[in-house]
Amino acid sequence: DQQVKQNSPSLSVQEGRISILNCDYTNSMFDYFLWYKKYPAEGPTFLISISSIKDKNEDGRFTVFLNKSAKHLSLHIVPSQPGDSAVYFCAASGGSNYQLIWGAGTKLIIKP
Amino acid sequence: NAGVMQNPRHLVRRRGQEARLRCSPMKGHSHVYWYRQLPEEGLKFMVYLQKENIIDESGMPKERFSAEFPKEGPSILRIQQVVRGDSAAYFCASSPSARSEQYFGPGTRLTVT
Repeated sequence: DQQVKQNSPSLSVQEGRISILNCDYTNSMFDYFLWYKKYPAEGPTFLISISSIKDKNEDGRFTVFLNKSAKHLSLHIVPSQPGDSAVYFCAASGGSNYQLIWGAGTKLIIKP
Repeated sequence: NAGVMQNPRHLVRRRGQEARLRCSPMKGHSHVYWYRQLPEEGLKFMVYLQKENIIDESGMPKERFSAEFPKEGPSILRIQQVVRGDSAAYFCASSPSARSEQYFGPGTRLTVT
């Protein structure tokens, strides 16, 4: 049972445009959500997080939006840069879960 | 401030041998998590440890796998009698407290031949 779903395995975006990565979850107990970025042969790098008391959190070019009623969050990257090409994972925790529950990832490709 | 360290980065074992993976958390972090990533899949939680205690091992196979985080020294993930299906990337993460963001090491790529 996949509690965190990233339905797009890959996404291709022109450099300078906005990248929007989506994530859906099923567990209503989740109250903390994170986005990580991963390059090949490296560990994931923390990008940005949001708790369920907020619906938006912004850090530089990265903004995460949370829609609790739809159980949906998204990561916006603007403007997209070539170095943003990586696999992006969303993760969630909450309730009795100490561990992060991870989506399968979306591979973002930024085209020059 | 060094990040999370994992060694070895690559480990090759024959079927039936033991694999020992080490993780040194970031300075000041007492919470350690182990994850496994199979090809084309996301990370799967294995075990969560605090110093000398296993807090949650719900993601770890009951047999052949064990983890520890002693008072002194790194956390160790131990896989006994490895099989081909154990081939994966194993990542360790640490955090300063439970439920805060986790910082990952570079991973250990285990190949079982």
